[in-house]
Amino acid sequence: KQEVTQIPAALSVPEGENLVLNCSFTDSAIYNLQWFRQDPGKGLTSLLLIQSSQREQTSGRLNASLDKSSGRSTLYIAASQPGDSATYLCAPNRDDKIIFGKGTRLHILP
Amino acid sequence: GAVVSQHPSWVICKSGTSVKIECRSLDFQATTMFWYRQFPKQSLMLMATSNEGSKATYEQGVEKDKFLINHASLTLSTLTVTSAHPEDSSFYICSASGQSGYEQYFGPGTRLTVT
Repeated sequence: KQEVTQIPAALSVPEGENLVLNCSFTDSAIYNLQWFRQDPGKGLTSLLLIQSSQREQTSGRLNASLDKSSGRSTLYIAASQPGDSATYLCAPNRDDKIIFGKGTRLHILP
Repeated sequence: GAVVSQHPSWVICKSGTSVKIECRSLDFQATTMFWYRQFPKQSLMLMATSNEGSKATYEQGVEKDKFLINHASLTLSTLTVTSAHPEDSSFYICSASGQSGYEQYFGPGTRLTVT
């Protein structure tokens, strides 16, 4: 059974800092891995999708890497802004089942 | 990107009644749809997977007779919470995929409150 761990559980940093969110998963036989953000009381916003054959994906200030063999992914956020404050969820897809981590609650201090 | 909608976005119902939530893929055909539940301050938990025209596959611990899922067409899946109780109050989110191994697109969620 896939288990997903996200570290840290919560993070508060001053605006402008670069930061890294970590995700580990136990079953590396995945199709792909997605990173989402979720604002309080809202649905999911897809940030990046990395296919199992890929090592990383970039979108604007976001960069996600995937090391499938070791069951790890990281989300790098450059030049953080207060609008980045949200919960970030890592979601590996194995056999079309997405198992979510508990997320990292990020707070960017103005 | 592909768009998935849910209706209603929020609903309040009385204990003992049933409520239906719709999930639609607006611009693609969804061979598979998924239903998730999220309790406050918890992560999303997969409830069931449904393929068009077949019975849904439920995750362990999810009562199939309480959470009725119908995936009658390639663009619509419904989740009916039967005989709702306050403990069923939660945020229900669906996702849809056009093909196995491909990206899943998530709906905006439905907040259910049972009084």
